[in-house]
Amino acid sequence: DSGVTQTPKHLITATGQRVTLRCSPRSGDLSVYWYQQSLDQGLQFLIQYYNGEERAKGNILERFSAQQFPDLHSELNLSSLELGDSALYFCASSPRQYSGANVLTFGAGSRLTVL
Amino acid sequence: ELKVEQNPLFLSMQEGKNYTIYCNYSTTSDRLYWYRQDPGKSLESLFVLLSNGAVKQEGRLMASLDTKARLSTLHITAAVHDLSATYFCAVGARGSTLGRLYFGRGTQLTVWP
Repeated sequence: DSGVTQTPKHLITATGQRVTLRCSPRSGDLSVYWYQQSLDQGLQFLIQYYNGEERAKGNILERFSAQQFPDLHSELNLSSLELGDSALYFCASSPRQYSGANVLTFGAGSRLTVL
Repeated sequence: ELKVEQNPLFLSMQEGKNYTIYCNYSTTSDRLYWYRQDPGKSLESLFVLLSNGAVKQEGRLMASLDTKARLSTLHITAAVHDLSATYFCAVGARGSTLGRLYFGRGTQLTVWP
């Protein structure tokens, strides 16, 4: 157990629907990152939050949004789902924003299947 | 945008043999990571390399970094079946936030008896 908790582990839904993925970072970690892993695109950075504020944005679609709450857990909202959104979504956390010696701790992922 | 290329993408090797996985990246970076992923599982951190000439070793795996060539290698010595997994290198652009990483496509390693 890495200490980063993601729910749900698996999710099957239909095109056009909306889902919310949840992440609780490791205790003491202030920074949360979301990544998408798909066969087409590989592992791609989506977005980062640090202590409740958005700090970096990657290849995140406009249909996707995220937030980090005061208790530091984060949610990734995916709406108007398309077949191509089917992927494994990872959350990762770190204590700080900048310090190369620190590594990201990844959660187990949420596997989203859009039918 | 920073590009990361790994090769080979697929590697099948016999137990006891040695091999090297290569990771090239396109622009200046201040950190490079190697991760391992077992099928359907999360990513496990293996090594962090921060400076030119850095070398890290853990068991049968050794990683090195040449920032001038923008190249990192992951060397496998005397492979065993337990090393079968997908290995990713991930690179951070200089000055970017810690977790804003660009990943290679991964090298799927299969070790057979």
